[in-house]
Amino acid sequence: DIQMTQSPSSLSASVGDRVTITCRASQSISTYLNWYQQKPGKAPKVLIYAASSLQSGVPSRFSGSGSGTDFTLTISSLQPEDFATYYCQQSYSTSWTFGQGTKVEIK
Amino acid sequence: QLQLQESGPGLVKPSETLSLTCTVSGDSISRSISYWGWIRQPPGKGLEWIGTIYYSGSTYYNPSLKSRVTISVDTSKKQFSLKLSSVTAADTAVYYCARRNVDTAIIDYWGQGTLVTVSS
Repeated sequence: DIQMTQSPSSLSASVGDRVTITCRASQSISTYLNWYQQKPGKAPKVLIYAASSLQSGVPSRFSGSGSGTDFTLTISSLQPEDFATYYCQQSYSTSWTFGQGTKVEIK
Repeated sequence: QLQLQESGPGLVKPSETLSLTCTVSGDSISRSISYWGWIRQPPGKGLEWIGTIYYSGSTYYNPSLKSRVTISVDTSKKQFSLKLSSVTAADTAVYYCARRNVDTAIIDYWGQGTLVTVSS
């Protein structure tokens, strides 16, 4: 079973900061990696799919990179509406395994 | 526009079976482009995949829950269902139903989520 590990589990940042979140898979998953954003009381929504493709309607300040086992989500200039929890999710196998999440808080 | 809606009891007693249904509207549940699944989120914690079903009836379960989980589909009612047996307080969570697009592998549609509390 593929395990996904995110780091950090939380971070504090200011508006305008560049933020980087990492995700590591327990085995190679090529580029079968998605990133989701979740706000309190809401279902997650996809930001990045196939490791680096921006979902339609998502601001270009979000970007993803990586392949194999190591992946990164970057927010180039943090905006007030970006304070949320972010999850990676592997789509390599029939399971829908998620990372444990990274909470981005206001500094 | 595809919509998913969870329904079922919000309170379940320990050792009993949790049963939830997801009703799909706006598209056919039998389209080969869709996998249907359940995901849960304990209060203040992360997302945990429970299991997935294809319209044909093929199922895939989280190994950690497999012994207690059954997911089924009723295409005539445009519904798929979750049963989780022998529940404990650790099963208290918001339960989401969701759709994964077969082509893009994105979980692109989610229900609003329903809180199920396990308590006597």
